[in-house]
Amino acid sequence: DLQLTQSPSSLSASVGDRVTITCRASQNIRNYLNWYQQRPGQAPKLLIYAASRLHGGVPSRFSGSGSGTDYTLTITSLQPEDFATYYCQQSYSTPSYTFGQGTKLEI
Amino acid sequence: QVTLRESGPALVKPTQTLTLTCTFSGFSLTTSEMSVTWIRQPPGKALEWLARIDWDDDKYYSTSLKTRLTISKDTSKNQVVLTMTNMDPVDTGTYYCARSLATYYYYYMDVWGKGTTVTVSS
Repeated sequence: DLQLTQSPSSLSASVGDRVTITCRASQNIRNYLNWYQQRPGQAPKLLIYAASRLHGGVPSRFSGSGSGTDYTLTITSLQPEDFATYYCQQSYSTPSYTFGQGTKLEI
Repeated sequence: QVTLRESGPALVKPTQTLTLTCTFSGFSLTTSEMSVTWIRQPPGKALEWLARIDWDDDKYYSTSLKTRLTISKDTSKNQVVLTMTNMDPVDTGTYYCARSLATYYYYYMDVWGKGTTVTVSS
């Protein structure tokens, strides 16, 4: 199966900071990459799809970029509600649409 | 408003078969590009994609679990059912269903249920 590796696994930041999370695929996934946010005790929420398309209702401080095997999620001006775990997911390689191992963003 | 709700047993014994039902509203699984996906999450661990069923009844399964999984839909009831055979304690976790959109250009899960917790123990 295609593998996704997120880095870092955890990250400490402060309110107002800009942070970047990276997701590397084991092969070219041609922008078929999604990002999800999961707060403790809650279901995941879609942030970004197709590498850079912002899902409706998601604040514009979230953005996605990348191509080929390397993708990034950037959050500018961190807000208290942004402290959560973030997952990338590839939607290129059927049948298994794997997730990354997650990045925990802590205060 | 799109909502999904997972239901099923909270406790199953090893070797038993787990049957989970996803009951949804606010969309139809007869609409082009619509699908429902199942995902699970062991306690304290990452998300794991399990299976997907599309509006046209195409089905996709996790490579590592495909021999144990079956996904089906009942469009008249707005339900999707996932069965997993030969349950093991490592299958303990929270199971989510999610509405998903699948086209040539993208596939993503945009609305998730709250999840149902399944414990496998004798």
